[in-house]
Amino acid sequence: DAKTTQPPSMDCAEGRAANLPCNHSTISGNEYVYWYRQIHSQGPQYIIHGLKNNETNEMASLIITEDRKSSTLILPHATLRDTAVYYCIVRGSILTGGGNKLTFGTGTQLKVEL
Amino acid sequence: NAGVTQTPKFQVLKTGQSMTLQCAQDMNHEYMSWYRQDPGMGLRLIHYSVGAGITDQGEVPNGYNVSRSTTEDFPLRLLSAAPSQTSVYFCASIKDRVNTEAFFGQGTRLTVV
Repeated sequence: DAKTTQPPSMDCAEGRAANLPCNHSTISGNEYVYWYRQIHSQGPQYIIHGLKNNETNEMASLIITEDRKSSTLILPHATLRDTAVYYCIVRGSILTGGGNKLTFGTGTQLKVEL
Repeated sequence: NAGVTQTPKFQVLKTGQSMTLQCAQDMNHEYMSWYRQDPGMGLRLIHYSVGAGITDQGEVPNGYNVSRSTTEDFPLRLLSAAPSQTSVYFCASIKDRVNTEAFFGQGTRLTVV
């Protein structure tokens, strides 16, 4: 799986959008971008994933650049409960044997403040 | 629907002792995995399984054994615990070969003294 690079920490004011960047310049064509978060050392929680199109769900939006070498996770209205470590993971297809294995980096510690 | 259940939540072992960390999922997921997380680090894959009777090694398999006799259960065994195995252990499951999300348990915090 391709490696990812994320800033170690970010701050965001409550109610504002949190934009978390991720660089994955070595991503290959069949690899997906996944985002998870981990709150207070609980088990990681899935947020969103995408291949090349932008995606949105009830939690967040995922913007993937046209060359797929980077992406941004957007939490549109961050709350204190969004304080967590956010992991960007590039994951291969299960069909090619890579999808079962998630390679975690050190992630971005997002701190949402009043 | 319980999801992924790990037991115990906390455990203290003496060096050389053995124990089994339990993981069960009730979602009929094919894929299950074990990860460990050391302080300030991301999760690292220990072992994984793509179905009952099939297991394989991950990034850090030494010192750990697994088996998958049923779809629901994926226990992780430490045969002779070492202080280097002090960590938080997470079990995860994924539904099937279509790209879907992984569900994680709440973790087992293991201390080896």
